Amino acid sequence: GENVEQHPSTLSVQEGDSAVIKCTYSDSASNYFPWYKQELGKRPQLIIDIRSNVGEKKDQRIAVTLNKTAKHFSLHITETQPEDSAVYFCAAGGIKAAGNKLTFGGGTRVLVKP
Amino acid sequence: SAVISQKPSRDICQRGTSLTIQCQVDSQVTMMFWYRQQPGQSLTLIATANQGSEATYESGFVIDKFPISRPNLTFSTLTVSNMSPEDSSIYLCSVDQTPGSSGYTFGSGTRLTVV
Repeated sequence: GENVEQHPSTLSVQEGDSAVIKCTYSDSASNYFPWYKQELGKRPQLIIDIRSNVGEKKDQRIAVTLNKTAKHFSLHITETQPEDSAVYFCAAGGIKAAGNKLTFGGGTRVLVKP
Repeated sequence: SAVISQKPSRDICQRGTSLTIQCQVDSQVTMMFWYRQQPGQSLTLIATANQGSEATYESGFVIDKFPISRPNLTFSTLTVSNMSPEDSSIYLCSVDQTPGSSGYTFGSGTRLTVV
């Protein structure tokens, strides 16, 4: 089955700096790669996703890049703000034969210091 | 995107008992997924529930421990049976949106503590 590795597990940045989180996946058939933000005590919220026919996607301060050949994808947050502090999870999936399920990375705890 | 109502939001249960968690979606969805999130950990898929067929369980999870019902396209339940303290966790349901729309959405979760 799919295996997703996420790095780093914790990330501390100064407000205004950029944050980058990287994930690798194992199943080349995966074609859907979402990123979730989870604040303390809340449900994971989808913040951006990318499908395998696209190499990069941007939404304001957030961008995701995908390298299908290397089987890795990354989340980039620019101009970080204290409200960006949360745990971020990457995931891979979208394989119909596998029931479209998502496999999650281990998570990255991001702390933005004012 | 779909709105999911999940209940109960939290419960404290005695070991050996069972708890049933419900998820109601405001639109029809093909697949519903049940995840477990242990304290400070990532999300682990328990099973996938399709309407009209048996749920598909992931390695390490069995139907006797986590029976699932999916009576229609908007509702599902997960039961945690014969609970032990190791079952203390957050349980979340998730739905698969129409491909090309807003991706997967999670319910608000059920925080279960087994004493």
